[in-house]
Amino acid sequence: AQTVTQSQPEMSVQEAETVTLSCTYDTSESDYYLFWYKQPPSRQMILVIRQEAYKQQNATENRFSVNFQKAAKSFSLKISDSQLGDAAMYFCAYRSAYTSGAGSYQLTFGKGTKLSVIP
Amino acid sequence: EPEVTQTPSHQVTQMGQEVILRCVPISNHLYFYWYRQILGQKVEFLVSFYNNEISEKSEIFDDQFSVERPDGSNFTLKIRSTKLEDSAMYFCASSKRRGGGNEQFFGPGTRLTVL
Repeated sequence: AQTVTQSQPEMSVQEAETVTLSCTYDTSESDYYLFWYKQPPSRQMILVIRQEAYKQQNATENRFSVNFQKAAKSFSLKISDSQLGDAAMYFCAYRSAYTSGAGSYQLTFGKGTKLSVIP
Repeated sequence: EPEVTQTPSHQVTQMGQEVILRCVPISNHLYFYWYRQILGQKVEFLVSFYNNEISEKSEIFDDQFSVERPDGSNFTLKIRSTKLEDSAMYFCASSKRRGGGNEQFFGPGTRLTVL
């Protein structure tokens, strides 16, 4: 079974600064997907960025980028030029690329990191 | 932009009572999911649903749980006889395709409190 670990329950960053959220995972699979979801207070989770394990290039979405280290099973999220709207709970998640039968592609989540942005 | 919606936002019930949590997935999505998050713990997968049947379920999803798509828009999670440990945030999600990289869109959640 896959596990996802986020070792930082809370983080804070000064507005306009850069912050990195850590995530490690454990799997025996070679092909999978990794995701970062953002959950603002009282709002739904939205996808921030995804990474395909077979792609060596790190994914980037505007101010959000990842550092994907497959051998180390590490998938950190870097937020550059932090804004007040970035304050949220951030979840790292894993999803297999393989299924059996109809398959469901369930997401396996970490416990989350609560990010505060200081004005 | 289309969103997944869930009702109610907060449900309080007595132990042993039945509850139905409702979700309206995004209209052209075909795959539906329920997850839950007990306070302070991880978001956990419960069940996935496609083509009017369960495609996968976790160990948590025992005989007390059931899911249904009663019409073309709603997707429900029923807990037959609630226990104290069922208190959690329940998230519905939907996706258009099945592929592993396809995004699951989440609803805002229903907070279930069992007294």
